[in-house]
Amino acid sequence: AQSVAQPEDQVNVAEGNPLTVKCTYSVSGNPYLFWYVQYPNRGLQFLLKYITGDNLVKGSYGFEAEFNKSQTSFHLKKPSALVSDSALYFCAVRTVGGGSQGNLIFGKGTKLSVKP
Amino acid sequence: NAGVTQTPKFQVLKTGQSMTLQCAQDMNHNSMYWYRQDPGMGLRLIYYSASEGTTDKGEVPNGYNVSRLNKREFSLRLESAAPSQTSVYFCASSVAGQGLTDTQYFGPGTRLTVL
Repeated sequence: AQSVAQPEDQVNVAEGNPLTVKCTYSVSGNPYLFWYVQYPNRGLQFLLKYITGDNLVKGSYGFEAEFNKSQTSFHLKKPSALVSDSALYFCAVRTVGGGSQGNLIFGKGTKLSVKP
Repeated sequence: NAGVTQTPKFQVLKTGQSMTLQCAQDMNHNSMYWYRQDPGMGLRLIYYSASEGTTDKGEVPNGYNVSRLNKREFSLRLESAAPSQTSVYFCASSVAGQGLTDTQYFGPGTRLTVL
């Protein structure tokens, strides 16, 4: 069965420091991976996705994610965090096969807190 | 271009009452989805509509019904609300036709409380 895990409920970072939000996945076949961000009282916004090719994917707002097949990970990164990056981040994997082909399975979310 | 819109933004119901959550998208997307978000559980798929005229159950469909009214609109109905349905509900849409690379776009959500 496909699944995705975000091992940290919360990540705390000082403004200007690099940040990493972790995600690991389990899929049968090739993985299709997504990151979304949710600001307070808002819907989810798409950040980036990995389909194939370069293991480093660049997305919106200066975020990037590194795909590592051997470690089955897709960690979200940013070189220099901003206070405005504080939000809830979700990793998601596309299901493959069966009646729900093409649907997303979401992790539980990681709350990122960036302090000035 | 409003994207995905949802109404209402907030709703309080008593146990046993019914209501319909409305969703519309103006991006000419083929597929639409309903999720619920509960603390510590991420988003879970309730129902989806791969294309106009079709609907399918997701992970947690019990207690809900959906209608794909046309290409733009996808509604979620609670026939007899229960406290366990207290949640934030999100509608999403995607182009489809891109297979597994398809990206979903989300509405702002409806916060529902069932007393």
